[in-house]
Amino acid sequence: NAGVTQTPKFQVLKTGQSMTLQCAQDMNHNSMYWYRQDPGMGLRLIYYSASEGTTDKGEVPNGYNVSRLNKREFSLRLESAAPSQTSVYFCASSEVVPVYGKLFFGSGTQLSVL
Amino acid sequence: GQQVMQIPQYQHVQEGEDFTTYCNSSTTLSNIQWYKQRPGGHPVFLIQLVKSGEVKKQKRLTFQFGEAKKNSSLHITATQTTDVGTYFCAGRTGANNLFFGTGTRLTVIP
Repeated sequence: NAGVTQTPKFQVLKTGQSMTLQCAQDMNHNSMYWYRQDPGMGLRLIYYSASEGTTDKGEVPNGYNVSRLNKREFSLRLESAAPSQTSVYFCASSEVVPVYGKLFFGSGTQLSVL
Repeated sequence: GQQVMQIPQYQHVQEGEDFTTYCNSSTTLSNIQWYKQRPGGHPVFLIQLVKSGEVKKQKRLTFQFGEAKKNSSLHITATQTTDVGTYFCAGRTGANNLFFGTGTRLTVIP
């Protein structure tokens, strides 16, 4: 099994450009997440989707939008990229029954906004 | 804001020495998870602790969850070069969100 697949692996944007990060999981998990990782800040939750058809804001949602396209796919969109959004982005998924389980992470997207 | 604090931020040890990282929360946690991230890689789940005072071992790794369920620790005995990476704790407060600590980057000097 592939687990959690993220694309692209690297991306360079100019300020104001838009892009969508794609994520797909093949583990039939209900919950999916988008995190960003910055040096010294750990992993911070941007948005999550507890189940198909629902999305909720995390700690740092400003400047981002998400779409839970179906049970497998959860995309993250930057409408107008800013240098402060330079970061490594991780998608993750987990099962929540019978208890919230462990997160399975994708390999990450390194995004630079110039 | 950050709800889970982790110390130290960096740790350099000689191969064979022990290593400990500590995680503290300002609020009571329903459970805590630990992850390891190798340089250039993604976080990988190590373990989950749920019960007050719980202790779990995985070979040379010992994980503890405090009695008040507000703190946790990871101890590695006799470190090896394969232990290199950043160790994160992640606490859950009952909702869907996991709050990650800032991580401890471990360097093992051969």
